[in-house]
Amino acid sequence: SQTIHQWPATLVQPVGSPLSLECTVEGTSNPNLYWYRQAAGRGLQLLFYSVGIGQISSEVPQNLSASRPQDRQFILSSKKLLLSDSGFYLCAWETGTGTYAYEQYFGPGTRLTVT
Amino acid sequence: GENVEQHPSTLSVQEGDSAVIKCTYSDSASNYFPWYKQELGKRPQLIIDIRSNVGEKKDQRIAVTLNKTAKHFSLHITETQPEDSAVYFCASGGSNYQLIWGAGTKLIIKP
Repeated sequence: SQTIHQWPATLVQPVGSPLSLECTVEGTSNPNLYWYRQAAGRGLQLLFYSVGIGQISSEVPQNLSASRPQDRQFILSSKKLLLSDSGFYLCAWETGTGTYAYEQYFGPGTRLTVT
Repeated sequence: GENVEQHPSTLSVQEGDSAVIKCTYSDSASNYFPWYKQELGKRPQLIIDIRSNVGEKKDQRIAVTLNKTAKHFSLHITETQPEDSAVYFCASGGSNYQLIWGAGTKLIIKP
């Protein structure tokens, strides 16, 4: 069966510090991968998605970036965090074949607080 | 752009009663409509989904209906229980790898 891991689970970082969040998926090959952010009490904001190694699409222009160095690894980074970057960061995977939408499954999330 | 409207934003029902959450989508190319449940502090979890070639799907106490002509779909929960309290999100998916998400409905089950 497939599992998705995210770490760390919680993170407190000062404004201006760098960020690196990691997501890995097990039990599947060539998944579509997604990074979402959820502000407190709000909905899901898509940040990045990837359909393959080295292929990243950005949905929101901001100080975050994403990379996919391996098939089942997705990394979210920032060089300098802003207060507005606080939130619940969720990685998701999807076994899409072709271009049509399929079920997305979420990791446990990273709760980031920027102070 | 494409969007999904979800109503109501908050729904309070008596335990044992039914709850209905509605979503309307704008992209006529959408063909996949999932519903997620998110408990406080947890990840969203897929609870039921429907594709455009069917009008209704049931799984025990939950059901989803789809009206493609009117571009809306609904989540129905019968015999609500305290563990149904959560935030529910609808979404629509088409041919561009992305899901378009509704803003969420906070469902409160009153004892």
